[in-house]
Amino acid sequence: AQRVTQPEKLLSVFKGAPVELKCNYSYSGSPELFWYVQYSRQRLQLLLRHISRESIKGFTADLNKGETSFHLKKPFAQEEDSAMYYCALKGRGGGNKLTFGTGTQLKVEL
Amino acid sequence: EAGVVQSPRYKIIEKKQPVAFWCNPISGHNTLYWYLQNLGQGPELLIRYENEEAVDDSQLPKDRFSAERLKGVDSTLKIQPAELGDSAVYLCASSPGAGELFFGEGSRLTVL
Repeated sequence: AQRVTQPEKLLSVFKGAPVELKCNYSYSGSPELFWYVQYSRQRLQLLLRHISRESIKGFTADLNKGETSFHLKKPFAQEEDSAMYYCALKGRGGGNKLTFGTGTQLKVEL
Repeated sequence: EAGVVQSPRYKIIEKKQPVAFWCNPISGHNTLYWYLQNLGQGPELLIRYENEEAVDDSQLPKDRFSAERLKGVDSTLKIQPAELGDSAVYLCASSPGAGELFFGEGSRLTVL
């Protein structure tokens, strides 16, 4: 079974402060990990995936297989980063099934 | 490019009534998904189609839920009869195969 855990429902930070959204997963094989984001009144969309190893909107995430984590980080939060963030896992060999965490609401305050 | 289109955006019905949701995926996307999102929760997969074939419907409550994807393009998700606990957002997504899912805006169902 595959499972994604996002322990924080809400994370509130000040503008310019560092951000870390936590994500832990449970999967017996080698997973693909993603972060999806939903801005206010917009549809859910892909932010980044671990295989791309790229920075999107200043966000990065590193897959740590030892700790089974895929935390999302940004050194300096911006007001426009306020959104709902979902960590998601796709198990290899399981087709295209994507399992989502419960999400973390990020609120960036001025 | 048009994204995934869902209809209706909002639906309010009384319990025991039927309801149907429609999804038009991005052109050329073979894989189509229906997800259920309860308030405060992440999306949960109901059914996944590869072209016309439902390849994963293990989470679909088949006693009241049904889905179809005629001709491997548009899809409908039906609930009959609806229960109070079915109040949620129903998300449709499509993908060209492996990789990124593109989501629609969702259909918000309220059952009274």
